[in-house]
Amino acid sequence: ILNVEQSPQSLHVQEGDSTNFTCSFPSSNFYALHWYRWETAKSPEALFVMTLNGDEKKKGRISATLNTKEGYSYLYIKGSQPEDSATYLCAFMEYGGSQGNLIFGKGTKLSVKP
Amino acid sequence: DSGVTQTPKHLITATGQRVTLRCSPRSGDLSVYWYQQSLDQGLQFLIQYYNGEERAKGNILERFSAQQFPDLHSELNLSSLELGDSALYFCASSQRLAGGRDTQYFGPGTRLTVL
Repeated sequence: ILNVEQSPQSLHVQEGDSTNFTCSFPSSNFYALHWYRWETAKSPEALFVMTLNGDEKKKGRISATLNTKEGYSYLYIKGSQPEDSATYLCAFMEYGGSQGNLIFGKGTKLSVKP
Repeated sequence: DSGVTQTPKHLITATGQRVTLRCSPRSGDLSVYWYQQSLDQGLQFLIQYYNGEERAKGNILERFSAQQFPDLHSELNLSSLELGDSALYFCASSQRLAGGRDTQYFGPGTRLTVL
């Protein structure tokens, strides 16, 4: 069974801090890596879909990088704001999709204090 | 608002019962996915439908079934419910068949409580 690990499990930062967290996934048969932002009582919101080794994507103050050869992706948030508080999920898909579809990690819960 | 709708928002029922969860995808999306989020578990993929046909299956129990109708809405049927089926059930949709490289848009979820 394929596993997707996210670290840290939770993170507390002050407003204005920059932060980053990691998603680790199997390095063989890579097909795609997704990042989602999930606020409490809302539905997961898509941030990025990454497909190529070396991909870098950016959306406002949030950016992500991808290393498929070593099986990790980093999500960076520059100058964290209280509204960035959410759980950040990554999801991996294997080429051929042996487990049917996206395999999600358990997320990194970010809390930003004003 | 992702454009994906799910009903009902909350459902409370008893063990042994059967329930139906409903999902309407975003306009133009042909793929529908169902996910389960249990306590302390990550989102678990259950099943995918594309344009009315089942296309991929995850760890979906035999007591669970789904279908996608000609108007593209989908229903997830859960029967012989057990306490452990209590979870948040999400529906997501995407435009194409290959959901792995397509953005999936999630609905607000249905919270199922089995007593």
